[in-house]
Amino acid sequence: AQSVTQLDSHVSVSEGTPVLLRCNYSSSYSPSLFWYVQHPNKGLQLLLKYTSAATLVKGINGFEAEFKKSETSFHLTKPSAHMSDAAEYFCVVSGGGGSQGNLIFGKGTKLSVKP
Amino acid sequence: KAGVTQTPRYLIKTRGQQVTLSCSPISGHRSVSWYQQTPGQGLQFLFEYFSETQRNKGNFPGRFSGRQFSNSRSEMNVSTLELGDSALYLCASSPRQGAWEQYFGPGTRLTVT
Repeated sequence: AQSVTQLDSHVSVSEGTPVLLRCNYSSSYSPSLFWYVQHPNKGLQLLLKYTSAATLVKGINGFEAEFKKSETSFHLTKPSAHMSDAAEYFCVVSGGGGSQGNLIFGKGTKLSVKP
Repeated sequence: KAGVTQTPRYLIKTRGQQVTLSCSPISGHRSVSWYQQTPGQGLQFLFEYFSETQRNKGNFPGRFSGRQFSNSRSEMNVSTLELGDSALYLCASSPRQGAWEQYFGPGTRLTVT
Protein backbone atom coordinates (compact mmCIF):
# COMPACT_ATOMS: atom_id res chain seq x y z
CA ALA A 1 0.00 0.00 0.00
CA GLN A 2 1.09 3.55 -0.68
CA SER A 3 1.64 6.09 2.09
CA VAL A 4 3.55 9.27 2.83
CA THR A 5 4.82 10.63 6.12
CA GLN A 6 5.57 14.30 6.57
CA LEU A 7 8.10 14.48 9.33
CA ASP A 8 7.27 17.97 10.60
CA SER A 9 3.80 19.32 11.26
CA HIS A 10 5.11 22.88 11.53
CA VAL A 11 8.25 24.57 10.20
CA SER A 12 9.20 28.17 10.92
CA VAL A 13 11.88 30.04 8.98
CA SER A 14 12.99 33.63 8.57
CA GLU A 15 12.50 35.41 5.29
CA GLY A 16 15.53 34.90 3.04
CA THR A 17 16.65 31.65 4.71
CA PRO A 18 16.37 28.16 3.16
CA VAL A 19 13.27 26.02 3.43
CA LEU A 20 13.32 22.25 3.97
CA LEU A 21 10.08 20.28 4.27
CA ARG A 22 10.64 16.57 4.79
CA CYS A 23 8.65 13.70 3.34
CA ASN A 24 9.18 9.93 3.39
CA TYR A 25 7.13 7.60 1.27
CA SER A 26 6.20 3.95 1.19
CA SER A 27 5.18 2.36 -2.06
CA SER A 28 4.83 -1.11 -3.49
CA TYR A 29 4.95 0.35 -6.98
CA SER A 30 7.33 2.75 -8.66
CA PRO A 31 5.73 5.84 -7.16
CA SER A 32 4.50 9.09 -8.62
CA LEU A 33 5.10 11.76 -6.01
CA PHE A 34 3.89 15.33 -5.72
CA TRP A 35 3.99 18.38 -3.55
CA TYR A 36 0.87 20.52 -3.29
CA VAL A 37 0.49 23.85 -1.51
CA GLN A 38 -2.65 25.22 0.12
CA HIS A 39 -2.90 28.87 1.03
CA PRO A 40 -5.54 29.88 3.60
CA ASN A 41 -9.08 29.66 2.22
CA LYS A 42 -7.80 28.54 -1.16
CA GLY A 43 -7.70 25.26 -3.03
CA LEU A 44 -4.69 23.06 -3.54
CA GLN A 45 -2.08 24.00 -6.11
CA LEU A 46 0.41 21.58 -7.64
CA LEU A 47 3.98 22.69 -6.90
CA LEU A 48 5.87 19.90 -8.61
CA LYS A 49 5.71 16.23 -9.58
CA TYR A 50 8.04 13.26 -9.88
CA THR A 51 7.09 10.53 -12.34
CA SER A 52 10.28 8.46 -12.77
CA ALA A 53 12.13 10.88 -15.00
CA ALA A 54 14.83 13.14 -13.50
CA THR A 55 15.28 12.62 -9.77
CA LEU A 56 15.71 16.36 -9.13
CA VAL A 57 12.41 18.02 -9.90
CA LYS A 58 11.95 21.75 -10.28
CA GLY A 59 8.60 23.29 -9.53
CA ILE A 60 6.96 26.68 -9.44
CA ASN A 61 8.00 29.62 -7.26
CA GLY A 62 11.60 28.39 -6.87
CA PHE A 63 10.76 25.12 -5.13
CA GLU A 64 12.44 21.85 -5.97
CA ALA A 65 12.46 18.30 -4.62
CA GLU A 66 14.80 15.36 -4.91
CA PHE A 67 13.61 11.77 -5.20
CA LYS A 68 15.93 9.46 -3.25
CA LYS A 69 14.94 5.85 -3.65
CA SER A 70 17.57 4.53 -1.23
CA GLU A 71 16.18 6.79 1.51
CA THR A 72 12.53 6.62 0.35
CA SER A 73 12.46 10.39 0.64
CA PHE A 74 11.09 13.27 -1.42
CA HIS A 75 12.03 16.40 0.51
CA LEU A 76 10.94 19.86 -0.69
CA THR A 77 13.46 22.70 -0.65
CA LYS A 78 13.74 26.36 -1.56
CA PRO A 79 16.94 28.39 -1.27
CA SER A 80 15.36 31.56 0.06
CA ALA A 81 11.96 31.84 1.76
CA HIS A 82 9.55 34.62 0.90
CA MET A 83 6.68 35.87 3.04
CA SER A 84 4.24 34.65 0.38
CA ASP A 85 5.47 31.06 0.90
CA ALA A 86 3.62 30.85 4.21
CA ALA A 87 1.06 28.11 3.63
CA GLU A 88 0.41 24.43 4.24
CA TYR A 89 2.34 21.96 2.12
CA PHE A 90 1.27 18.41 1.34
CA CYS A 91 3.41 15.55 0.14
CA VAL A 92 1.33 13.22 -2.02
CA VAL A 93 1.72 9.79 -3.61
CA SER A 94 -0.54 8.37 -6.28
CA GLY A 95 -2.52 5.27 -5.42
CA GLY A 96 -0.70 3.19 -7.96
CA GLY A 97 -1.91 0.25 -10.00
CA GLY A 98 -5.62 0.55 -10.64
CA SER A 99 -5.88 3.42 -8.18
CA GLN A 100 -3.72 5.96 -9.97
CA GLY A 101 -6.43 8.57 -9.63
CA ASN A 102 -6.51 8.15 -5.88
CA LEU A 103 -4.07 10.64 -4.40
CA ILE A 104 -2.83 9.78 -0.91
CA PHE A 105 -1.95 12.86 1.11
CA GLY A 106 0.43 13.34 3.98
CA LYS A 107 -0.85 15.16 7.08
CA GLY A 108 0.66 18.44 5.90
CA THR A 109 3.39 20.78 7.08
CA LYS A 110 2.50 24.35 7.99
CA LEU A 111 5.25 26.72 6.91
CA SER A 112 5.54 30.03 8.77
CA VAL A 113 7.85 32.75 7.45
CA LYS A 114 9.03 35.41 9.88
CA PRO A 115 10.06 38.86 8.61
CA LYS B 1 -9.25 28.24 -19.27
CA ALA B 2 -11.47 28.63 -16.27
CA GLY B 3 -10.47 26.54 -13.28
CA VAL B 4 -12.47 24.01 -11.32
CA THR B 5 -15.53 25.60 -9.76
CA GLN B 6 -17.46 24.36 -6.76
CA THR B 7 -20.81 25.47 -5.46
CA PRO B 8 -21.80 26.46 -2.94
CA ARG B 9 -18.65 27.67 -1.22
CA TYR B 10 -20.17 27.55 2.26
CA LEU B 11 -23.03 25.50 3.64
CA ILE B 12 -24.58 25.02 7.06
CA LYS B 13 -26.81 22.02 7.63
CA THR B 14 -28.43 20.29 10.57
CA ARG B 15 -27.63 16.77 11.71
CA GLY B 16 -29.84 14.24 9.90
CA GLN B 17 -30.33 16.38 6.79
CA GLN B 18 -28.83 15.63 3.42
CA VAL B 19 -26.67 17.83 1.22
CA THR B 20 -25.62 18.01 -2.42
CA LEU B 21 -22.38 19.66 -3.54
CA SER B 22 -21.57 20.52 -7.13
CA CYS B 23 -18.33 20.57 -9.10
CA SER B 24 -17.65 21.81 -12.63
CA PRO B 25 -14.33 20.56 -13.99
CA ILE B 26 -11.93 22.38 -16.26
CA SER B 27 -13.21 22.37 -19.81
CA GLY B 28 -12.11 19.19 -21.56
CA HIS B 29 -11.37 17.33 -18.35
CA ARG B 30 -13.39 14.15 -18.05
CA SER B 31 -12.34 12.83 -14.67
CA VAL B 32 -13.56 14.27 -11.39
CA SER B 33 -12.36 13.21 -7.94
CA TRP B 34 -13.68 14.23 -4.54
CA TYR B 35 -11.73 14.61 -1.31
CA GLN B 36 -12.68 15.38 2.29
CA GLN B 37 -10.38 17.57 4.38
CA THR B 38 -10.68 17.69 8.18
CA PRO B 39 -8.23 18.82 10.87
CA GLY B 40 -8.16 15.35 12.40
CA GLN B 41 -8.01 13.07 9.37
CA GLY B 42 -6.40 15.39 6.86
CA LEU B 43 -7.17 14.96 3.18
CA GLN B 44 -8.92 11.72 2.27
CA PHE B 45 -10.02 10.42 -1.11
CA LEU B 46 -13.76 9.88 -1.49
CA PHE B 47 -14.28 8.74 -5.09
CA GLU B 48 -13.40 9.29 -8.73
CA TYR B 49 -15.80 9.54 -11.66
CA PHE B 50 -15.00 9.18 -15.33
CA SER B 51 -17.47 8.96 -18.21
CA GLU B 52 -20.37 9.04 -15.77
CA THR B 53 -19.12 5.95 -13.92
CA GLN B 54 -17.53 5.65 -10.52
CA ARG B 55 -14.05 4.23 -11.16
CA ASN B 56 -12.48 4.30 -7.74
CA LYS B 57 -13.77 4.65 -4.20
CA GLY B 58 -12.21 5.52 -0.86
CA ASN B 59 -13.08 4.15 2.53
CA PHE B 60 -16.23 6.11 3.35
CA PRO B 61 -19.70 4.89 4.36
CA GLY B 62 -22.49 4.51 1.86
CA ARG B 63 -24.01 7.81 3.03
CA PHE B 64 -21.48 9.43 0.72
CA SER B 65 -22.39 9.09 -2.93
CA GLY B 66 -21.82 10.89 -6.15
CA ARG B 67 -22.61 11.04 -9.80
CA GLN B 68 -21.26 12.52 -12.98
CA PHE B 69 -23.22 13.95 -15.86
CA SER B 70 -22.56 13.73 -19.58
CA ASN B 71 -20.93 17.18 -19.53
CA SER B 72 -18.50 15.89 -16.87
CA ARG B 73 -20.00 18.01 -14.11
CA SER B 74 -20.22 16.07 -10.88
CA GLU B 75 -22.31 16.15 -7.74
CA MET B 76 -21.61 14.67 -4.37
CA ASN B 77 -24.38 13.79 -1.93
CA VAL B 78 -24.18 13.10 1.77
CA SER B 79 -27.30 11.73 3.43
CA THR B 80 -28.19 11.64 7.12
CA LEU B 81 -25.54 14.17 8.03
CA GLU B 82 -23.47 13.66 11.16
CA LEU B 83 -21.46 16.24 13.10
CA GLY B 84 -18.28 14.51 11.92
CA ASP B 85 -19.15 15.29 8.30
CA SER B 86 -18.19 18.90 8.90
CA ALA B 87 -15.27 19.41 6.57
CA LEU B 88 -13.90 21.09 3.49
CA TYR B 89 -14.92 19.08 0.45
CA LEU B 90 -12.54 19.45 -2.46
CA CYS B 91 -13.16 18.52 -6.05
CA ALA B 92 -10.36 17.89 -8.51
CA SER B 93 -10.44 17.37 -12.25
CA SER B 94 -8.01 15.75 -14.64
CA PRO B 95 -7.98 15.07 -18.38
CA ARG B 96 -8.32 11.28 -18.15
CA GLN B 97 -9.17 8.50 -15.77
CA GLY B 98 -6.57 7.63 -13.20
CA ALA B 99 -4.47 10.66 -14.05
CA TRP B 100 -2.30 11.67 -11.18
CA GLU B 101 -2.13 15.31 -12.23
CA GLN B 102 -5.22 16.79 -10.68
CA TYR B 103 -6.43 20.38 -10.52
CA PHE B 104 -8.33 21.35 -7.42
CA GLY B 105 -11.24 23.68 -6.88
CA PRO B 106 -11.52 26.04 -3.89
CA GLY B 107 -13.72 23.63 -1.97
CA THR B 108 -17.08 23.70 -0.23
CA ARG B 109 -16.97 24.30 3.51
CA LEU B 110 -19.76 22.20 5.10
CA THR B 111 -20.70 22.80 8.70
CA VAL B 112 -23.11 20.37 10.38
CA THR B 113 -24.78 21.59 13.56
